[in-house]
Amino acid sequence: EAGVVQSPRYKIIEKKQPVAFWCNPISGHNTLYWYLQNLGQGPELLIRYENEEAVDDSQLPKDRFSAERLKGVDSTLKIQPAELGDSAVYLCASSSDANTEAFFGQGTRLTVV
Amino acid sequence: GEDVEQSLFLSVREGDSSVINCTYTDSSSTYLYWYKQEPGAGLQLLTYIFSNMDMKQDQRLTVLLNKKDKHLSLRIADTQTGDSAIYFCAENYGNNRLAFGKGNQVVVIP
Repeated sequence: EAGVVQSPRYKIIEKKQPVAFWCNPISGHNTLYWYLQNLGQGPELLIRYENEEAVDDSQLPKDRFSAERLKGVDSTLKIQPAELGDSAVYLCASSSDANTEAFFGQGTRLTVV
Repeated sequence: GEDVEQSLFLSVREGDSSVINCTYTDSSSTYLYWYKQEPGAGLQLLTYIFSNMDMKQDQRLTVLLNKKDKHLSLRIADTQTGDSAIYFCAENYGNNRLAFGKGNQVVVIP
């Protein structure tokens, strides 16, 4: 069975440009998470979805970041406009529900120049 | 807020045991986890311990939990070159919201 799939693996953009990341969770997993991992740091939760509802987005910088999970399956995370400080790895994870093990994707490494 | 502390770097010779330590702040955390991250890869859950346990052993891995001191450790027996990675401890502070430490890089010397 495929794990959590993220694309692209790498993205380089100029500052002020928009960027989007895509995540396909494990089939049947209702809970989906986006984490931000800065260099040399542990991941930090940005947003958590239960099906199509964002139930915890308190750490998402809403002035430039947005996310959606329209049909409760795939999800996209968007940054518009990107800033130099957004350079990081963006990790997606999914779990059957909010009380079971979360499985992580390989992440998208974003470089803003 | 939740805060998880880890030391940063450990080198160990192949075949020796390695011990990674972590302290956490939220005494209400139900589960505590150890994740492994290899270069260019996502996070892999290695093991976890429920907060009412003191120890858990899983093959070469031993997790010790000291709830009084909010201290978690991971011991890897017979460390192998494939164990070279960054190890993160994390606490679950409800609804699978995970607070991660900064990670501990383990380098195994052949």
